[in-house]
Amino acid sequence: DAKTTQPTSMDCAEGRAANLPCNHSTISGNEYVYWYRQIHSQGPQYIIHGLKNNETNEMASLIITEDRKSSTLILPHATLRDTAVYYCIVSPNSGNTPLVFGKGTRLSVIA
Amino acid sequence: GAVVSQHPSWVICKSGTSVKIECRSLDFQATTMFWYRQFPKKSLMLMATSNEGSKATYEQGVEKDKFLINHASLTLSTLTVTSAHPEDSSFYICSARERTGGNTIYFGEGSWLTVV
Repeated sequence: DAKTTQPTSMDCAEGRAANLPCNHSTISGNEYVYWYRQIHSQGPQYIIHGLKNNETNEMASLIITEDRKSSTLILPHATLRDTAVYYCIVSPNSGNTPLVFGKGTRLSVIA
Repeated sequence: GAVVSQHPSWVICKSGTSVKIECRSLDFQATTMFWYRQFPKKSLMLMATSNEGSKATYEQGVEKDKFLINHASLTLSTLTVTSAHPEDSSFYICSARERTGGNTIYFGEGSWLTVV
């Protein structure tokens, strides 16, 4: 079973920042926080991951709380093409452990 | 990021026939690949873990004789749906862990299977 809890859906105005929350209160010390998104009828796309420090790349920023029990994915300037289901997953960063998907958050970016 | 490719993107087959889906890691070697299936408006469900040179590990409830997995090389895993039935119609997705960079798991584009 997935170890994360996310809101079912969110709306965001085009051009504004989209902040997607995720709760992972039972995260283990060796587990990273991963974010993927899935646009309709495509395979999931990797966005970003982190262990305990905040991370930023060309797609998004990841803010992890100090106790690591929750995190927020930030899309700084959402576009219509960012409309997708966003999955927050906790998993070790090594070995043969697969990613276990929850239900994710359906983000709708509105013009 | 690293590239994982699936083929075919979509396939239609008749009930009772078998269909093979390929998953390739194009720019890295993958000792382990993962197979998922996804029904409409549902999340991804892990089917099995494919290990290069050894038998796959199947999740509970997944029939290993029906969903044959072969991982013959470090860049290729195949999923064969045998004696397909209409209820096997689904979106099948593979993924692989890229070990030389950040150990990130990348996903293929997915393969739509329709059994008629």
